Amino acid sequence: DIVLTQSPGTLTLSPGERAALSCRASQDISSTFLAWYQQKPGQAPRLLLYGASIRATGIPERFSGSESGTDFTLTISRVEPEDSAVYYCQQYYSILWTFGQGTKVEIK
Amino acid sequence: QVQLVESGGGVVQPGGSLRLSCAASGFTFSSFGMHWVRQAPGKGLEWVAFIGYDGNNEYYADSVKGRLTISRDNSKNTMFLQMNSLRAEDTAVYYCAADYGDYHVFDYWGQGTLVTVSS
Repeated sequence: DIVLTQSPGTLTLSPGERAALSCRASQDISSTFLAWYQQKPGQAPRLLLYGASIRATGIPERFSGSESGTDFTLTISRVEPEDSAVYYCQQYYSILWTFGQGTKVEIK
Repeated sequence: QVQLVESGGGVVQPGGSLRLSCAASGFTFSSFGMHWVRQAPGKGLEWVAFIGYDGNNEYYADSVKGRLTISRDNSKNTMFLQMNSLRAEDTAVYYCAADYGDYHVFDYWGQGTLVTVSS
């Protein structure tokens, strides 16, 4: 099975700083089936990006995604206080959906 | 607007059963595949099961195969999860999620229902 490893575990930033969250796949996967979600405390996850870099409806432009081989990155260009959350990557392959373990973003 | 509302969670003893429901509105339910995703307390997300838009395909995580059964009733815009032989490790918030299919992602999510397996 494909394993997604996210890093860092926790990222602490000040408002206006740039955030880069990493998601590394254990083997080659199609970027078509790589997505990112945001989950705030006590809430359900929300789809941010799909196809590795396509923003879902209503997602601000400060959220972007990129890939390099088996490495995928979610970038928040200038973090805002409401971006405090846990972020998960997710992939689909061979009728299995798997998630990374999550990166917690804290805003000072 | 899109709404997914889970119900049926609660406390059950190990070995017991529970049936979760997910009522959908605000979108064409019969055009979407549907999933159950769970989250143990303080832990990450785990995909549990998927059912195709017409109910003809079902897939399960190895951890629940043979114990949990997903189904749907498109005439009632509702999906179900029959949970049998429950274990302590099944304790989690269970979310239903809608998947349009092109990208195999979880487009819409419900707010979740808590299942606690404890004696």
